Amino acid sequence: GAGVSQTPSNKVTEKGKYVELRCDPISGHTALYWYRQSLGQGPEFLIYFQGTGAADDSGLPNDRFFAVRPEGSVSTLKIQRTERGDSAVYLCASSLAGGNTIYFGEGSWLTVV
Amino acid sequence: KQEVTQIPAALSVPEGENLVLNCSFTDSAIYNLQWFRQDPGKGLTSLLLIQSSQREQTSGRLNASLDKSSGRSTLYIAASQPGDSATYLCAVNYGGSQGNLIFGKGTKLSVKP
Repeated sequence: GAGVSQTPSNKVTEKGKYVELRCDPISGHTALYWYRQSLGQGPEFLIYFQGTGAADDSGLPNDRFFAVRPEGSVSTLKIQRTERGDSAVYLCASSLAGGNTIYFGEGSWLTVV
Repeated sequence: KQEVTQIPAALSVPEGENLVLNCSFTDSAIYNLQWFRQDPGKGLTSLLLIQSSQREQTSGRLNASLDKSSGRSTLYIAASQPGDSATYLCAVNYGGSQGNLIFGKGTKLSVKP
């Protein structure tokens, strides 16, 4: 596609529920990143994929968060047993392998009530 | 702890003014530094990337400088326009992994016509 696409754009869920957020990177980009941005804060790194494998998952806050990229293209961020503190914008980005320019999607706004 | 600080948090200027946004980081051993722009409800757009071996980068009316020894970077915007109104974010890569960026909270710029 022309840019990084994220779905859903908005998600409201109840505390304790399971949520999946999807990211479709720019075609040909082997590197994919997930960030989380809370109101009034800068984005916070979560995980980085190179191809199908997670090259760096040091930013995942706890074991309720998990991400996959089974075919090296689309990625899904999965959040189990959601908590109100998980409410944020989840940003996905992609780049060429070794590329310094990172292209961001518009984010998925998650609200946990 | 590696931190990135941006001052001021918000800035309002009349159209046509030249302005400087500031970014400071706690650890001078950086790999590179990037400036991003974020419009309300949108993802981030990369503006300028400065490698650790470089002192500055320029793109159009934008100039970013890097002084590793003092832990500072500045983004200079010449002849500001209302379309420049956005939040500007500074992000540092300490070389942990590609895309593992540490962001500041941003400076919200408003350019009045």
